[in-house]
Amino acid sequence: AQSVTQPDIHITVSEGASLELRCNYSYGATPYLFWYVQSPGQGLQLLLKYFSGDTLVQGIKGFEAEFKRSQSSFNLRKPSVHWSDAAEYFCAVGSSASKIIFGSGTRLSIRP
Amino acid sequence: DGGITQSPKYLFRKEGQNVTLSCEQNLNHDAMYWYRQDPGQGLRLIYYSQIVNDFQKGDIAEGYSVSREKKESFPLTVTSAQKNPTAFYLCASSNPRTGSLEELFFGEGSRLTVL
Repeated sequence: AQSVTQPDIHITVSEGASLELRCNYSYGATPYLFWYVQSPGQGLQLLLKYFSGDTLVQGIKGFEAEFKRSQSSFNLRKPSVHWSDAAEYFCAVGSSASKIIFGSGTRLSIRP
Repeated sequence: DGGITQSPKYLFRKEGQNVTLSCEQNLNHDAMYWYRQDPGQGLRLIYYSQIVNDFQKGDIAEGYSVSREKKESFPLTVTSAQKNPTAFYLCASSNPRTGSLEELFFGEGSRLTVL
């Protein structure tokens, strides 16, 4: 069965510290992979996506993600977080826009 | 500015009432989608439409209905048949292109509470 797992429900990091959010997926073939961010009470915004090519993908707001086929993972990273990064982050996989599966999300809090 | 407008932002409903959530886009996108979001869960697809006058059921269509009479508009009706309608509803659109998976653009959502 196709699925997306974000094992961390809530993460707190200090401002300026590095961040890694985990995402593991189960899919029949190599799917399109996405990370979206959602501020409280808002819609989702695309941070980055991957389908093929370089396995290290750069996104907006200083985020990057690395696709590891052997681990079925697509973890999101940022070298130094800012207070404005506090939000909920969703990993998603799919083969078409109508067949995107979203993970349950990881809420990120920033410690001053 | 181009974007997706959802209204109302907050809506309260009594049990047994139908309500309609509005979604309008000026991005000239062909495809539009409705998702439901519950706390601690990811987004689940309710309905989607890839072209005017055509729409398809998503994973959780029961108790919901949609129409797509205009390219810009994709209203969602939450009917009294929906057993647990309290949720955050998100509308999205995309511009399908062959050979790549298009980005979803989201509205700011509508929060429906059943009293």
